[in-house]
Amino acid sequence: EAQVTQNPRYLITVTGKKLTVTCSQNMNHEYMSWYRQDPGLGLRQIYYSMNVEVTDKGDVPEGYKVSRKEKRNFPLILESPSPNQTSLYFCASSPTGQSNQPQHFGDGTRLSIL
Amino acid sequence: KNQVEQSPQSLIILEGKNCTLQCNYTVSPFSNLRWYKQDTGRGPVSLTIMTFSENTKSNGRYTATLDADTKQSSLHITASQLSDSASYICVVSRTLNDYKLSFGAGTTVTVRA
Repeated sequence: EAQVTQNPRYLITVTGKKLTVTCSQNMNHEYMSWYRQDPGLGLRQIYYSMNVEVTDKGDVPEGYKVSRKEKRNFPLILESPSPNQTSLYFCASSPTGQSNQPQHFGDGTRLSIL
Repeated sequence: KNQVEQSPQSLIILEGKNCTLQCNYTVSPFSNLRWYKQDTGRGPVSLTIMTFSENTKSNGRYTATLDADTKQSSLHITASQLSDSASYICVVSRTLNDYKLSFGAGTTVTVRA
């Protein structure tokens, strides 16, 4: 089954403790992206990747890192999490990233930073 | 200020009734507009996409309209079902190679029996 898989689905942690949210897709998509979703603000892009070893900042990249060493994986790293990073996070992929292609989203990771 | 505004923020309708969701955008230039449906606890799933030259597009009981001159789109749900309870998100892109999309905040629809 074609899917985007995120782990963990839920995480409660404390300020400053480094964490990684993994994202994997099995559709051989070149384009992958991370979003955060907050009430009343909609989805905001954190980082995106056009292909292996190519990443670029989205609208809200501060406090986050990403890497794209393999086509299927695109982990999101919070080096020193802070409470304002408490949010619902989504990973998405599409064949090449062109806007006429739908993005396939994972089911989300709910992070709570205390 | 968000360049994609959706209204209403939320609505409640009875099963079997119709409803219409609005999306107004100021994004320019304009390439296409997509509607996503997001069920509770799930990621968004694409419903339909409309380009500049398209006025209406249907996907089952969902019908999207686009007026590129007034920069408005609507999503009409016909004969609502309980499974239509979800958030509906409008997304606008500037160009075909626009990797930074503009997302609306969504409209939450609750269908009651």
